[in-house]
Amino acid sequence: EVQLVESGGGLVEPGESLRLSCAASGFKFSIYDMHWVRQAPGKGLEWVSSIVTTGRYINYADAVRGRFTISRDNAQNSLFLQMNSLRAEDTAVYYCVRESKLERLPFDYWGQGTLVSVSS
Amino acid sequence: DIQMTQSPSSLSASVGDRVTITCRASQNIVTYLNWYQQKPGKAPILLIYDASRLFSGVPSRFSGSGSGTDFTLTISSLQPEDFASYYCQQTYITPPVTFGPGTKVDLK
Repeated sequence: EVQLVESGGGLVEPGESLRLSCAASGFKFSIYDMHWVRQAPGKGLEWVSSIVTTGRYINYADAVRGRFTISRDNAQNSLFLQMNSLRAEDTAVYYCVRESKLERLPFDYWGQGTLVSVSS
Repeated sequence: DIQMTQSPSSLSASVGDRVTITCRASQNIVTYLNWYQQKPGKAPILLIYDASRLFSGVPSRFSGSGSGTDFTLTISSLQPEDFASYYCQQTYITPPVTFGPGTKVDLK
């Protein structure tokens, strides 16, 4: 069974940092591209960042570029998101997401999410 | 970036109703269009990919159609467990992957 389990969320003040982790199991993690998607309270889904299998190619949404860093450890079946200089508008549930091998590359498995709250 | 819109933003329906949700892309995305269902407090789940292909385990009452810029998600006979929000997503020109704003389906 595919499982993605996020951790590391919490309440921080503006300007502080958090590191999210995602533990993957039930599939060969090293052959899948991975993403982070977030959802602000009561709002829609927003793509945050992606990383290919080898970690060589990485992309970010404009809203987080320069502040967030995605990484992965294939030996540990883990995905990470280092979030620096957090802002109130970063408050959201953050989902770890697998990009499938299906046609058109949909996101076929999502973690349960971890809540990041940024407030003074 | 490709912008995605959905209509309606919300709808009220009864069990057994046929429900149709529309998604429009700001430019041609061929069939790089996927649909997700999300229930309150839960992660989204994949329903439809490549505009019309049913993901494994998804009931056949769900169907998708369209190509280019206009797409639809249809629920042929709404069931109690289908009351949820639905999002379309384009994966044609990335980054960024973009989602529609969502359609909330609730009980009339």
